[in-house]
Amino acid sequence: DQQVKQNSPSLSVQEGRISILNCDYTNSMFDYFLWYKKYPAEGPTFLISISSIKDKNEDGRFTVFLNKSAKHLSLHIVPSQPGDSAVYFCAASASYGGATNKLIFGTGTLLAVQP
Amino acid sequence: DAGVIQSPRHEVTEMGQEVTLRCKPISGHNSLFWYRQTMMRGLELLIYFNNNVPIDDSGMPEDRFSAKMPNASFSTLKIQPSEPRDSAVYFCASSPTSGRLGTGELFFGEGSRLTVL
Repeated sequence: DQQVKQNSPSLSVQEGRISILNCDYTNSMFDYFLWYKKYPAEGPTFLISISSIKDKNEDGRFTVFLNKSAKHLSLHIVPSQPGDSAVYFCAASASYGGATNKLIFGTGTLLAVQP
Repeated sequence: DAGVIQSPRHEVTEMGQEVTLRCKPISGHNSLFWYRQTMMRGLELLIYFNNNVPIDDSGMPEDRFSAKMPNASFSTLKIQPSEPRDSAVYFCASSPTSGRLGTGELFFGEGSRLTVL
């Protein structure tokens, strides 16, 4: 059972426009959420995160929004640049039972930013 | 600083053969994770260690898979015997904290692409 879902396998946007990547989760115990970016033939790298006590976190062109009641988060990239073209993974973790950094990942969304 | 180092980067083998993937975590990190990436399931957590001790291996698909961490600087993931459906990219990741002390950020290696014919 996929606890973290990214229902859009791919997304194409024009350079300069906004990219919106979506993620849904089912486990209400999740209290920390992260986005990772992955280029071909490389490992995923951390992009931005948000704790469940917040509903928004911003870092430069990247903003993550969290809607706990809907169990939904989104990543906004504004403005989008060709170098942002990559696979984006949403991840979540829960701090129950002694806590760990165990991350549960979604299936990823391939973002293509067209020049 | 050196990142997480995985070897081999690519492995092609025949069904039934033993496969061993290796990982050197970032020095000082005390959590280590093995993930498998497939198109259908994305990044699946196979097993993770805290302070060299396996904590959760519920993601290991079958008894054919085993993982060890004999010391803080080395881990292996072994598949014996391998099958074509094991073909995937296997990632190792490490983290500087266990418990909710840090950001929860994991640092990934470049992955080992396994093809089982």
